[in-house]
Amino acid sequence: AQSVTQLGSHVSVSEGALVLLRCNYSSSVPPYLFWYVQYPNQGLQLLLKYTSAATLVKGINGFEAEFKKSETSFHLTKPSAHMSDAAEYFCAVSALDTGRRALTFGSGTRLQVQP
Amino acid sequence: DAGVTQSPTHLIKTRGQQVTLRCSPKSGHDTVSWYQQALGQGPQFIFQYYEEEERQRGNFPDRFSGHQFPNYSSELNVNALLLGDSALYLCASSSKQGRSTDTQYFGPGTRLTVL
Repeated sequence: AQSVTQLGSHVSVSEGALVLLRCNYSSSVPPYLFWYVQYPNQGLQLLLKYTSAATLVKGINGFEAEFKKSETSFHLTKPSAHMSDAAEYFCAVSALDTGRRALTFGSGTRLQVQP
Repeated sequence: DAGVTQSPTHLIKTRGQQVTLRCSPKSGHDTVSWYQQALGQGPQFIFQYYEEEERQRGNFPDRFSGHQFPNYSSELNVNALLLGDSALYLCASSSKQGRSTDTQYFGPGTRLTVL
């Protein structure tokens, strides 16, 4: 069984400030982890994914995430927030056990960027 | 290169009615997954189709059924609609039989409102 917990349903930062969105996972097998972004009235766009290679993963739009097995975490960061980063962010987990290919999502974190 | 497309964009139905949602996968993809995203929540996995068969199913009742056609497009059918079925329905496509490492690309979704 897998699950994802995203700490903080809303995060507000100032433009130019560090963005940190938290994700903790639970998985009985080695996980594959994903971050997706959803803009209003749109579908989900992949930001980055971890698939057991490098633990520090770089994605699009300046985002990156670090897989920490000991902490069961996969937090998303960006050094400097931009107004266009305002959106809903979802962490998701998938596992490589037999027949398990679906994504399990967290409840999301809404990022607000203040001017 | 066309991405994942879904139709219709919006739909309004009344309780007890039936609805069909459609999805065309990204070019080169052969696997389609469907997710339900209730307001303020993360997407929840409904089921996945490959080679015209349902390969995996989430915790959804039999009122939810699907189909995949030879051209890999897919339909989601929901019978006996309930108010609680109101949600954004997302279609995602992937390749290589939907292995865990394959990225799922999402469409813009169909917003279903049940009155």
